[in-house]
Amino acid sequence: AQRVTQPEKLLSVFKGAPVELKCNYSYSGSPELFWYVQYSRQRLQLLLRHISRESIKGFTADLNKGETSFHLKKPFAQEEDSAMYYCALKETSGSRLTFGEGTQLTVNP
Amino acid sequence: EAGVTQSPTHLIKTRGQQATLRCSPISGHTSVYWYQQALGLGLQFLLWYDEGEERNRGNFPPRFSGRQFPNYSSELNVNALELEDSALYLCASSFTGGKPQHFGDGTRLSIL
Repeated sequence: AQRVTQPEKLLSVFKGAPVELKCNYSYSGSPELFWYVQYSRQRLQLLLRHISRESIKGFTADLNKGETSFHLKKPFAQEEDSAMYYCALKETSGSRLTFGEGTQLTVNP
Repeated sequence: EAGVTQSPTHLIKTRGQQATLRCSPISGHTSVYWYQQALGLGLQFLLWYDEGEERNRGNFPPRFSGRQFPNYSSELNVNALELEDSALYLCASSFTGGKPQHFGDGTRLSIL
């Protein structure tokens, strides 16, 4: 069965510092990976999907199949990046998402 | 465009009762997904409906059921409510074929 692990429940950085939110997965096939973000008092929204290979709000994420990881990175964190971040996996043949438990990112001024 | 809408926002029930939660997808989306976000358990997949049919089901007992209507809106029904059913229930929708899912604000179900 597929599994997504986000090892850090809480992550705190200072404004302007680099940030990396870790995500590891286990899945026997070729998964599709996503990052979702939930800002305070807002709904869960899609941030990135690995097949798009794009940068959103300065964030990037690269799928590393060898290490089964999909870490989210930003070179210079901003206070408005403070939010809950969820990594999610979609299996090849279906549509269900398997979520990690989330990382609460706090960017301090 | 209007996002995914869920109703009610909050629902308070007692043990043994039945709860009905509703979801309207984004216009044009034919797939609806239900997830449970219970305290300490993260987001767990419940059900997936597409074109009126149940396509996949998560590891939940049969008292969790639902349906999708011809206009693609959906209901989640939870029978014989138990205390551990207290959670935020999120609905998501997407175009068919496993496209990215867009979430609603959720219904918070509290069991007393």
